Amino acid sequence: AQTVTQSQPEMSVQEAETVTLSCTYDTSESDYYLFWYKQPPSRQMILVIRQEAYKQQNATENRFSVNFQKAAKSFSLKISDSQLGDAAMYFCAYKGAQKLVFGQGTRLTINP
Amino acid sequence: EPEVTQTPSHQVTQMGQEVILRCVPISNHLYFYWYRQILGQKVEFLVSFYNNEISEKSEIFDDQFSVERPDGSNFTLKIRSTKLEDSAMYFCASSDPGQVFDRCEQYFGPGTRLTVT
Repeated sequence: AQTVTQSQPEMSVQEAETVTLSCTYDTSESDYYLFWYKQPPSRQMILVIRQEAYKQQNATENRFSVNFQKAAKSFSLKISDSQLGDAAMYFCAYKGAQKLVFGQGTRLTINP
Repeated sequence: EPEVTQTPSHQVTQMGQEVILRCVPISNHLYFYWYRQILGQKVEFLVSFYNNEISEKSEIFDDQFSVERPDGSNFTLKIRSTKLEDSAMYFCASSDPGQVFDRCEQYFGPGTRLTVT
């Protein structure tokens, strides 16, 4: 079974600084997708960024980028120029054939 | 932009009662999912549904749970006899396997917060 591990329960960063959230996963599949979801206090699940495992190029969405290391099964999220609105829980997720498997989450605090 | 909707946003029920949580997936989507998140914990997969039948379910999805697509638009999750530990946020999601670029993405609804007292 696939597992996703986020080893940082909490992280904090100064506004305008850069922060990296860690995620590792375990799978025997070769074709899969990886995601980062943001969950603000409203508890809505908002997709931040996705990465297809067959693509070597790291995904980028504006201030959000990933460092995808397939051999190491690592998928970290970098947030540049952190903003107060980035404060939330961040979940890393793995998707093989169907279901999403989520990590435990990292609570990100932005210090003004 | 099309979105997944869920009703109600908050449901309070007494232990032992039946509840039905409702979802309207995005109209051209073919795969439907339920997830739950106990407060302070990670999101957990419950069940996936395709072609009017369950395609996968987790060990959480026991005989107390059932899903149904009663018409062309709604997708429901029924809990027959609620327990205190069923208190959680329940998310519905849908995906469209027909579009290569987006087939991997599941679109989440805003969730239903279920409180069992």
